[in-house]
Amino acid sequence: AQTVTQSQPEMSVQEAETVTLSCTYDTSESDYYLFWYKQPPSRQMILVIRQEAYKQQNATENRFSVNFQKAAKSFSLKISDSQLGDAAMYFCAYSSYSGGGADGLTFGKGTHLIIQP
Amino acid sequence: DADVTQTPRNRITKTGKRIMLECSQTKGHDRMYWYRQDPGLGLRLIYYSFDVKDINKGEISDGYSVSRQAQAKFSLSLESAIPNQTALYFCATSDLWGTEAFFGQGTRLTVV
Repeated sequence: AQTVTQSQPEMSVQEAETVTLSCTYDTSESDYYLFWYKQPPSRQMILVIRQEAYKQQNATENRFSVNFQKAAKSFSLKISDSQLGDAAMYFCAYSSYSGGGADGLTFGKGTHLIIQP
Repeated sequence: DADVTQTPRNRITKTGKRIMLECSQTKGHDRMYWYRQDPGLGLRLIYYSFDVKDINKGEISDGYSVSRQAQAKFSLSLESAIPNQTALYFCATSDLWGTEAFFGQGTRLTVV
């Protein structure tokens, strides 16, 4: 079974600064997807960024980028120019590529990100 | 309208009562999921379904049952609710390739 570990229960950053959220995972598979989801106080789950394991290039989405280290099984999220609207819970998640991720997502426990004005 | 709709949004129920949480989707996806979120534990999979005839237990299925009434509808039932089942419940769908999961707005369930 796969596991996802987020070792930072809470992080705090000044507005406009850069912050990195950590995620490690354990799997015996070679092909998989990794995700970062954002959950603001509205509790909606919002996809921030996705990484396919077979791609060496790190995914980026505007101010959000990842550092994907396959050998180390590490998948960190970097948020540049932090904004007040970035304040939320962030979840790292894993999905198996085989079977198209049919058996769902495995989530980490989450990191609560606080943005200091 | 949201692609994945959960009803109710919030519910308070008493210990021992039967309760059903409903989920409907307009994404046209075959795959549907129920997750439970607890503070400090992240989201955990309760049940998942590939189609109306294919239902599978997830990590924490004890105390829950599901029904897939149609491709678009997937309900979660607590036959006899207990306080330990107080949590935020999410329904989700995904496409055949699992490239993205689409979540409902969540149902906050409190069992007193």
